[in-house]
Amino acid sequence: EVQLVESGGGLVQPGGSLRLSCAASGFTFSSYWMTWVRQAPGKGLEWVANIKEDGTDKHYADFVKGRFTISRDNAKNSLYLQMNSLRADDTAVYYCTRPKSDYWGQGTLVTVSS
Amino acid sequence: QAVVTQEPSLTVSPGGTVTLTCGSSTGAVTSGHYPYWFQQKPGQAPRTLIYDTSNKPSWTPARFSGSLLGGKAALTLSGAQPEDEAEYYCLLSYSGPWVFGGGTKLTVL
Repeated sequence: EVQLVESGGGLVQPGGSLRLSCAASGFTFSSYWMTWVRQAPGKGLEWVANIKEDGTDKHYADFVKGRFTISRDNAKNSLYLQMNSLRADDTAVYYCTRPKSDYWGQGTLVTVSS
Repeated sequence: QAVVTQEPSLTVSPGGTVTLTCGSSTGAVTSGHYPYWFQQKPGQAPRTLIYDTSNKPSWTPARFSGSLLGGKAALTLSGAQPEDEAEYYCLLSYSGPWVFGGGTKLTVL
Protein backbone atom coordinates (compact mmCIF):
# COMPACT_ATOMS: atom_id res chain seq x y z
CA GLU A 1 0.00 0.00 0.00
CA VAL A 2 1.32 3.42 -0.98
CA GLN A 3 1.67 5.88 1.87
CA LEU A 4 2.89 9.46 2.08
CA VAL A 5 3.01 10.76 5.64
CA GLU A 6 3.85 14.41 6.24
CA SER A 7 5.14 15.75 9.54
CA GLY A 8 6.78 18.84 10.97
CA GLY A 9 3.93 21.31 10.77
CA GLY A 10 2.92 23.52 13.65
CA LEU A 11 2.72 27.07 14.95
CA VAL A 12 5.63 29.37 14.16
CA GLN A 13 6.15 33.10 14.50
CA PRO A 14 6.54 35.36 11.47
CA GLY A 15 10.14 35.27 10.30
CA GLY A 16 10.66 31.81 11.75
CA SER A 17 11.56 28.49 10.16
CA LEU A 18 10.12 25.01 9.88
CA ARG A 19 11.21 21.82 8.16
CA LEU A 20 8.50 19.58 6.77
CA SER A 21 9.15 15.92 6.13
CA CYS A 22 7.28 13.38 4.03
CA ALA A 23 7.91 9.67 4.58
CA ALA A 24 7.12 7.56 1.54
CA SER A 25 6.43 3.84 1.39
CA GLY A 26 4.86 1.27 -0.89
CA PHE A 27 6.48 2.48 -4.11
CA THR A 28 9.93 3.10 -5.58
CA PHE A 29 10.39 6.62 -4.23
CA SER A 30 13.72 7.17 -5.98
CA SER A 31 12.10 6.72 -9.40
CA TYR A 32 9.75 9.69 -9.25
CA TRP A 33 9.68 13.45 -9.28
CA MET A 34 7.98 14.61 -6.09
CA THR A 35 5.97 17.72 -5.35
CA TRP A 36 4.81 19.94 -2.49
CA VAL A 37 1.37 21.55 -2.80
CA ARG A 38 -0.28 23.79 -0.23
CA GLN A 39 -3.77 25.01 0.57
CA ALA A 40 -4.52 28.02 2.73
CA PRO A 41 -7.65 27.76 4.90
CA GLY A 42 -10.73 28.07 2.69
CA LYS A 43 -8.63 28.69 -0.41
CA GLY A 44 -7.52 26.78 -3.49
CA LEU A 45 -4.54 24.58 -4.17
CA GLU A 46 -1.13 26.17 -4.77
CA TRP A 47 1.87 24.41 -6.26
CA VAL A 48 4.98 25.04 -4.14
CA ALA A 49 7.92 23.05 -5.54
CA ASN A 50 9.06 19.99 -7.49
CA ILE A 51 12.22 17.90 -7.27
CA LYS A 52 13.66 15.45 -9.74
CA GLU A 53 14.22 11.77 -8.91
CA ASP A 54 17.89 12.26 -8.05
CA GLY A 55 17.49 15.76 -6.57
CA THR A 56 19.51 17.46 -9.32
CA ASP A 57 16.65 19.57 -10.68
CA LYS A 58 14.25 21.66 -8.63
CA HIS A 59 11.54 24.20 -9.43
CA TYR A 60 9.81 26.67 -7.15
CA ALA A 61 6.77 28.90 -7.19
CA ASP A 62 7.71 32.57 -7.34
CA PHE A 63 6.23 33.25 -3.91
CA VAL A 64 8.65 30.85 -2.18
CA LYS A 65 11.83 31.41 -4.17
CA GLY A 66 14.74 32.21 -1.90
CA ARG A 67 12.79 31.24 1.22
CA PHE A 68 11.91 27.56 0.76
CA THR A 69 14.15 24.67 -0.24
CA ILE A 70 12.95 21.29 -1.44
CA SER A 71 15.20 18.27 -0.96
CA ARG A 72 15.04 14.51 -0.72
CA ASP A 73 16.91 11.55 0.75
CA ASN A 74 16.26 8.52 -1.42
CA ALA A 75 18.05 6.23 1.05
CA LYS A 76 15.43 7.21 3.63
CA ASN A 77 12.51 7.44 1.17
CA SER A 78 11.90 10.95 2.39
CA LEU A 79 11.02 14.33 0.93
CA TYR A 80 11.65 17.60 2.75
CA LEU A 81 10.65 21.24 2.60
CA GLN A 82 12.81 23.70 4.51
CA MET A 83 10.81 26.87 5.04
CA ASN A 84 12.56 30.04 6.19
CA SER A 85 11.41 33.65 6.62
CA LEU A 86 7.86 32.46 7.08
CA ARG A 87 5.01 34.92 6.63
CA ALA A 88 1.39 34.90 7.70
CA ASP A 89 0.32 34.11 4.15
CA ASP A 90 2.33 30.87 4.25
CA THR A 91 -0.30 29.52 6.64
CA ALA A 92 -1.68 26.44 4.91
CA VAL A 93 -1.96 22.69 4.85
CA TYR A 94 1.10 21.36 3.01
CA TYR A 95 0.72 18.18 0.96
CA CYS A 96 3.42 15.88 -0.30
CA THR A 97 2.39 14.32 -3.60
CA ARG A 98 3.27 12.43 -6.72
CA PRO A 99 0.20 13.64 -8.62
CA LYS A 100 0.66 11.56 -11.78
CA SER A 101 0.26 8.42 -9.67
CA ASP A 102 -2.46 9.89 -7.44
CA TYR A 103 -0.19 9.58 -4.41
CA TRP A 104 -1.13 12.20 -1.79
CA GLY A 105 -0.37 12.57 1.88
CA GLN A 106 -2.94 13.69 4.42
CA GLY A 107 -1.23 17.05 4.77
CA THR A 108 0.42 18.89 7.64
CA LEU A 109 -0.81 22.26 8.90
CA VAL A 110 1.60 25.17 9.14
CA THR A 111 0.35 28.21 11.03
CA VAL A 112 2.40 31.40 10.95
CA SER A 113 1.23 33.76 13.66
CA SER A 114 2.51 35.81 16.56
CA GLN B 1 4.03 33.74 -13.59
CA ALA B 2 1.14 32.57 -15.74
CA VAL B 3 -2.46 32.73 -14.59
CA VAL B 4 -4.68 29.68 -15.04
CA THR B 5 -8.42 30.32 -15.24
CA GLN B 6 -11.39 28.11 -14.43
CA GLU B 7 -15.11 28.71 -14.10
CA PRO B 8 -15.76 29.59 -10.44
CA SER B 9 -18.88 27.47 -10.28
CA LEU B 10 -21.04 25.19 -12.40
CA THR B 11 -24.22 23.23 -11.80
CA VAL B 12 -25.21 19.96 -13.43
CA SER B 13 -28.32 17.85 -13.08
CA PRO B 14 -28.00 14.25 -11.93
CA GLY B 15 -27.33 12.15 -15.02
CA GLY B 16 -26.39 15.22 -17.01
CA THR B 17 -23.21 16.27 -18.76
CA VAL B 18 -20.96 19.20 -17.93
CA THR B 19 -17.63 20.44 -19.21
CA LEU B 20 -15.15 22.32 -17.04
CA THR B 21 -12.42 24.30 -18.78
CA CYS B 22 -8.91 25.45 -17.94
CA GLY B 23 -7.31 28.37 -19.76
CA SER B 24 -3.87 29.94 -19.69
CA SER B 25 -2.94 33.62 -19.73
CA THR B 26 0.00 32.77 -22.01
CA GLY B 27 -2.17 31.50 -24.86
CA ALA B 28 -3.63 28.21 -25.97
CA VAL B 29 -3.30 25.23 -23.67
CA THR B 30 -1.54 22.36 -25.43
CA SER B 31 -0.50 18.85 -24.57
CA GLY B 32 2.88 20.39 -23.69
CA HIS B 33 1.26 21.87 -20.59
CA TYR B 34 0.56 18.29 -19.42
CA PRO B 35 -2.85 19.29 -18.00
CA TYR B 36 -3.97 17.71 -14.75
CA TRP B 37 -7.38 17.66 -13.13
CA PHE B 38 -7.98 17.07 -9.42
CA GLN B 39 -11.08 16.49 -7.36
CA GLN B 40 -11.32 17.66 -3.78
CA LYS B 41 -14.17 17.13 -1.38
CA PRO B 42 -14.53 19.11 1.87
CA GLY B 43 -12.10 18.03 4.55
CA GLN B 44 -10.24 15.65 2.26
CA ALA B 45 -6.93 15.68 0.42
CA PRO B 46 -7.15 16.17 -3.34
CA ARG B 47 -7.27 13.22 -5.67
CA THR B 48 -5.87 13.10 -9.19
CA LEU B 49 -8.58 12.56 -11.80
CA ILE B 50 -6.67 13.17 -15.03
CA TYR B 51 -3.01 13.66 -15.96
CA ASP B 52 -1.27 14.50 -19.23
CA THR B 53 -4.50 15.83 -20.76
CA SER B 54 -6.51 12.64 -20.85
CA ASN B 55 -4.86 9.83 -18.89
CA LYS B 56 -6.54 8.43 -15.80
CA PRO B 57 -5.27 6.85 -12.61
CA SER B 58 -6.93 3.53 -11.91
CA TRP B 59 -9.55 4.97 -9.55
CA THR B 60 -11.02 7.56 -11.94
CA PRO B 61 -14.57 6.66 -12.93
CA ALA B 62 -15.17 6.21 -16.66
CA ARG B 63 -17.68 9.07 -16.67
CA PHE B 64 -14.79 11.55 -16.37
CA SER B 65 -12.71 12.38 -19.43
CA GLY B 66 -10.04 14.93 -20.28
CA SER B 67 -9.33 16.67 -23.57
CA LEU B 68 -8.19 19.86 -25.28
CA LEU B 69 -11.04 22.01 -26.48
CA GLY B 70 -10.92 25.42 -28.12
CA GLY B 71 -7.46 26.28 -26.79
CA LYS B 72 -8.22 25.11 -23.30
CA ALA B 73 -7.94 21.93 -21.31
CA ALA B 74 -11.33 20.42 -20.60
CA LEU B 75 -12.78 17.98 -18.10
CA THR B 76 -16.07 16.42 -19.16
CA LEU B 77 -18.36 14.62 -16.76
CA SER B 78 -20.97 12.50 -18.51
CA GLY B 79 -23.73 11.10 -16.33
CA ALA B 80 -23.15 13.15 -13.19
CA GLN B 81 -23.68 11.44 -9.84
CA PRO B 82 -24.42 13.10 -6.51
CA GLU B 83 -20.99 12.02 -5.25
CA ASP B 84 -19.36 14.10 -8.01
CA GLU B 85 -20.26 17.30 -6.17
CA ALA B 86 -16.85 18.70 -5.28
CA GLU B 87 -14.22 21.30 -6.09
CA TYR B 88 -12.24 20.62 -9.25
CA TYR B 89 -8.80 22.07 -9.93
CA CYS B 90 -6.71 22.07 -13.05
CA LEU B 91 -2.93 22.30 -13.11
CA LEU B 92 -0.67 23.28 -15.99
CA SER B 93 3.08 22.84 -16.41
CA TYR B 94 5.14 25.71 -17.81
CA SER B 95 8.44 23.95 -18.57
CA GLY B 96 9.41 23.88 -14.93
CA PRO B 97 6.94 25.80 -12.79
CA TRP B 98 3.42 24.49 -12.35
CA VAL B 99 0.33 26.64 -11.82
CA PHE B 100 -3.07 25.68 -10.43
CA GLY B 101 -6.30 27.20 -11.54
CA GLY B 102 -8.55 28.77 -8.95
CA GLY B 103 -10.92 25.82 -8.92
CA THR B 104 -14.50 25.14 -10.04
CA LYS B 105 -17.15 24.33 -7.48
CA LEU B 106 -19.38 21.76 -9.13
CA THR B 107 -22.89 21.35 -7.77
CA VAL B 108 -25.01 18.35 -8.73
CA LEU B 109 -28.59 19.47 -8.40
